[in-house]
Amino acid sequence: DAKTTQPNSMESNEEEPVHLPCNHSTISGTDYIHWYRQLPSQGPEYVIHGLTSNVNNRMASLAIAEDRKSSTLILHRATLRDAAVYYCILIRSGGSNYKLTFGKGTLLTVNP
Amino acid sequence: DVKVTQSSRYLVKRTGEKVFLECVQDMDHENMFWYRQDPGLGLRLIYFSYDVKMKEKGDIPEGYSVSREKKERFSLILESASTNQTSMYLCASSLGQAPYSNQPQHFGDGTRLSIL
Repeated sequence: DAKTTQPNSMESNEEEPVHLPCNHSTISGTDYIHWYRQLPSQGPEYVIHGLTSNVNNRMASLAIAEDRKSSTLILHRATLRDAAVYYCILIRSGGSNYKLTFGKGTLLTVNP
Repeated sequence: DVKVTQSSRYLVKRTGEKVFLECVQDMDHENMFWYRQDPGLGLRLIYFSYDVKMKEKGDIPEGYSVSREKKERFSLILESASTNQTSMYLCASSLGQAPYSNQPQHFGDGTRLSIL
């Protein structure tokens, strides 16, 4: 399976934008880029996913590089509730995708 | 919004007991999953189901069984609880026909189970 690389931790201030990077240099053409996050003492929460084009939803935006070897999750205005571990994973279309495997992710701290 | 509800947030049981963890989803999803999450080991798949009465083993099925009698409900059973089954248990559901679906998985809040 293609691997992803994320920084161990990042820090932001409340109400400022946050850009969380993810490198996936061995991504294949049929791999979707998915982002999840996990707040303390809660289950993981789906955030967003995309294939080639940038994607927006009510939670975040996903910017995908033209060569697809990296992507960035954008939180437009961080709140204290956004403090969590963020996981970037690749899901292959047509493959056996039933198992989610999280790496260490990025621990986001949001300062008031 | 998808709602996945796990019956208990915290549960304490004794070694040797039979333990039932219940999960219900309200979005008519075909697929349902049970994971456990432990520090340093990440998320590990125990069992999943892609249809009523269907089940497939994940990576760590030993000591567990599952039941899916109705589409919205997926139960995890610890046949004879042991201390090494103390963990956070997470239920998830998704659309589409596993194992080939790339649809997002939606999780419950988890059950923190302690076996004494």
